[in-house]
Amino acid sequence: AQKVTQAQTEISVVEKEDVTLDCVYETRDTTYYLFWYKQPPSGELVFLIRRNSFDEQNEISGRYSWNFQKSTSSFNFTITASQVVDSAVYFCALWGNNDMRFGAGTRLTVKP
Amino acid sequence: DAGVTQSPTHLIKTRGQHVTLRCSPISGHKSVSWYQQVLGQGPQFIFQYYEKEERGRGNFPDRFSARQFPNYSSELNVNALLLGDSALYLCASSLVSPDRWRIYEQYFGPGTRLTVT
Repeated sequence: AQKVTQAQTEISVVEKEDVTLDCVYETRDTTYYLFWYKQPPSGELVFLIRRNSFDEQNEISGRYSWNFQKSTSSFNFTITASQVVDSAVYFCALWGNNDMRFGAGTRLTVKP
Repeated sequence: DAGVTQSPTHLIKTRGQHVTLRCSPISGHKSVSWYQQVLGQGPQFIFQYYEKEERGRGNFPDRFSARQFPNYSSELNVNALLLGDSALYLCASSLVSPDRWRIYEQYFGPGTRLTVT
């Protein structure tokens, strides 16, 4: 069975600090996809990134960066110079074998 | 462009009743998925429809059913409602690839908040 673990339930940082959200996954599939979504207080899930299992290149998008390591089954997300608007619940998700699994989410609070 | 739309926004039902939730995908998206999100948890996968065929099904009882229409909109039906069915029901849509192998990101609607009393 597939599983996504986000061990950090809540993280609180002060604005401009860097923060890394951890995601560890389990799957027996060789072909799978990983995602990160943001759920702000308004409630609607916002897509951030998609990665397939054959592409281990790290990615940077503005203040956001992602580190995908198959050797440790991890897909971590780093926000550089955090801002108050980054406050939200962040979900890591895994698609494989026609099944989508979300982690329990990490609530990030960025204080001014 | 319009995003994923869901109706109704909120719904209150009594135990044992039946409910139908509706979803319209983003224009051009032919895949629709349904999720249940209980407060404080991540979304739980219920179904995925891929060009009107059921492609994936999560660990939900047969009381949950869904279908996708020729215009790619979708309905989620839940029979014999239980108190535990109270949750936010999310619909998501995505593109489909011609080879049906590539998976694209899903875009979520605002959800339907179902309360069962």
